[in-house]
Amino acid sequence: GESVGLHLPTLSVQEGDNSIINCAYSNSASDYFIWYKQESGKGPQFIIDIRSNMDKRQGQRVTVLLNKTVKHLSLQIAATQPGDSAVYFCAALNTNAGKSTFGDGTTLTVKP
Amino acid sequence: GAGVSQSPSNKVTEKGKDVELRCDPISGHTALYWYRQSLGQGLEFLIYFQGNSAPDKSGLPSDRFSAERTGGSVSTLTIQRTQQEDSAVYLCASSLVGKGAPLHFGNGTRLTVT
Repeated sequence: GESVGLHLPTLSVQEGDNSIINCAYSNSASDYFIWYKQESGKGPQFIIDIRSNMDKRQGQRVTVLLNKTVKHLSLQIAATQPGDSAVYFCAALNTNAGKSTFGDGTTLTVKP
Repeated sequence: GAGVSQSPSNKVTEKGKDVELRCDPISGHTALYWYRQSLGQGLEFLIYFQGNSAPDKSGLPSDRFSAERTGGSVSTLTIQRTQQEDSAVYLCASSLVGKGAPLHFGNGTRLTVT
């Protein structure tokens, strides 16, 4: 079955620095990937997604990189701010199967 | 409202009692999911509804768990004879299409079984 894992459960960065959160997935049939941000007491919130026909996608201050060869994706956050402190989840989906598999999450702490 | 709504936000129940958790998805979203999140853990898939298709129940942990979705909209997750290990946050999500679309989550129901 599918498994998704993040490389580090916690990450602490200084305000203004760039953050990189990594994720590995196991199912080579996964063709759609999503990063979510979860703040305390709330449900996960969509940040950015990428499909398997791409290797990079940029949003506002965020970039997702996908390496299908090694089944790895990363989330880069530029100029990290205190409001970015949260738990970040990656999710991998085989669009023929219909349900997303989530990793355990990386807790990002931004130090002022 | 514009988002996924879950009720109650918190539920404390005694071991052995039944509980019902409700989810109102975003209007027009055909896919609805239930996930469970234990403290400090990731999201555990429970069940998935897509339109009129038979639900994917492969994630339900035991036959004490069941869910239904009436009229393709509101969903109820029922846990019978609750156990302490059922304590968790139960998250509902919906999406516009069942495949290849991001999920929109509610804020969850925090269930505590005493």
